Amino acid sequence: KQEVTQIPAALSVPEGENLVLNCSFTDSAIYNLQWFRQDPGKGLTSLLLIQSSQREQTSGRLNASLDKSSGRSTLYIAASQPGDSATYLCAVKAAGNKLTFGGGTRVLVKP
Amino acid sequence: GAVVSQHPSWVICKSGTSVKIECRSLDFQATTMFWYRQFPKQSLMLMATSNEGSKATYEQGVEKDKFLINHASLTLSTLTVTSAHPEDSSFYICSARVGGREQYFGPGTRLTVT
Repeated sequence: KQEVTQIPAALSVPEGENLVLNCSFTDSAIYNLQWFRQDPGKGLTSLLLIQSSQREQTSGRLNASLDKSSGRSTLYIAASQPGDSATYLCAVKAAGNKLTFGGGTRVLVKP
Repeated sequence: GAVVSQHPSWVICKSGTSVKIECRSLDFQATTMFWYRQFPKQSLMLMATSNEGSKATYEQGVEKDKFLINHASLTLSTLTVTSAHPEDSSFYICSARVGGREQYFGPGTRLTVT
């Protein structure tokens, strides 16, 4: 059974610092991995989707890497801003076409 | 494009009553819809998967007689929480997908059972 873990569970940084969020998964047989942002009481916003054949994806200040063989992905957010404060979730799609979510990392960027 | 809506966004109901939550894909036809439940400060847990016109497939531990799912059309799925109890209070999120492509998530529905 696929298990997805995100470390740390919470992170607080001063504005301007780079953020590094980690995601690990137990079964490397995945189709893709996706990073989401969730604001309190809201739904999910997709940030980046990395196919299993890709090593990384970039969008603006966001960069996500994928090392499928070791079961790891890292989301980098450069030059953090208070507006980046949210919970970040990673999810993997594997057999059965279902998404398995990690527990999330709650990020607070202090002005 | 690829917008998914949910209605209502929040609902309060009394214990023992039933409540229905709608999930709609606004600008695409969703062959598959998913229902998730999220407790405070926890991640999303898949409850069930539904394909248009067929019965939903429930995840282990989810009571299908309590959480009724209907996927009547390619743009609408409903989740009915029957005989709701306070422990059913949660944030319910649906998502929709076309074929094997990316899933698009709704904004969620906050259910509070008093």
